[in-house]
Amino acid sequence: KAGVTQTPRYLIKTRGQQVTLSCSPISGHRSVSWYQQTPGQGLQFLFEYFSETQRNKGNFPGRFSGRQFSNSRSEMNVSTLELGDSALYLCASSLGPGGGYTFGSGTRLTVV
Amino acid sequence: QKEVEQDPGPLSVPEGAIVSLNCTYSNSAFQYFMWYRQYSRKGPELLMYTYSSGNKEDGRFTAQVDKSSKYISLFIRDSQPSDSATYLCAFPTQGGSEKLVFGKGTKLTVNP
Repeated sequence: KAGVTQTPRYLIKTRGQQVTLSCSPISGHRSVSWYQQTPGQGLQFLFEYFSETQRNKGNFPGRFSGRQFSNSRSEMNVSTLELGDSALYLCASSLGPGGGYTFGSGTRLTVV
Repeated sequence: QKEVEQDPGPLSVPEGAIVSLNCTYSNSAFQYFMWYRQYSRKGPELLMYTYSSGNKEDGRFTAQVDKSSKYISLFIRDSQPSDSATYLCAFPTQGGSEKLVFGKGTKLTVNP
């Protein structure tokens, strides 16, 4: 059974650019969440989607956005990149509310 | 006061030692308790998921919850070099959302 797949694994972008990260959840999972992990702040919740609807959003600026498609695949977008956006971005999927989350290996974003 | 406090370590122990990892939390609304393990360059993987106060055992791992003290622990018996990883406590929030609040993680090294 395939796990949560995140693409790309590594990304280098220039300050001011925008970036789109992709997440394919485990087959049958309808809930997808995104987290940002940095050495200073640890893992912080970005947003959560269930059946294409955003159910919750973390305390991040509007430059961070996401969406979920009908096949449960999800993307997150960061516009006007800042140096501080350099982080590991993790996607996690679940069957639904109350289920345990399975994380992908993440996308390592470096902003220069 | 931070919502979750976790000693970052690092913690270094010899093979076979008993390891104790701890988190304190301040939010009384937390009703579920998780421990994740994260290997280098990987996403977190769920180790233990518990609801009630008391102990829950799974092989060499025991999760302990004390709701009255807002304190949770993870014990690893007969630790192995393969247990070397970062351990994160996590707390699902209420309201049907699956937003997880994480501790910053404790980096554990088990030396052969």
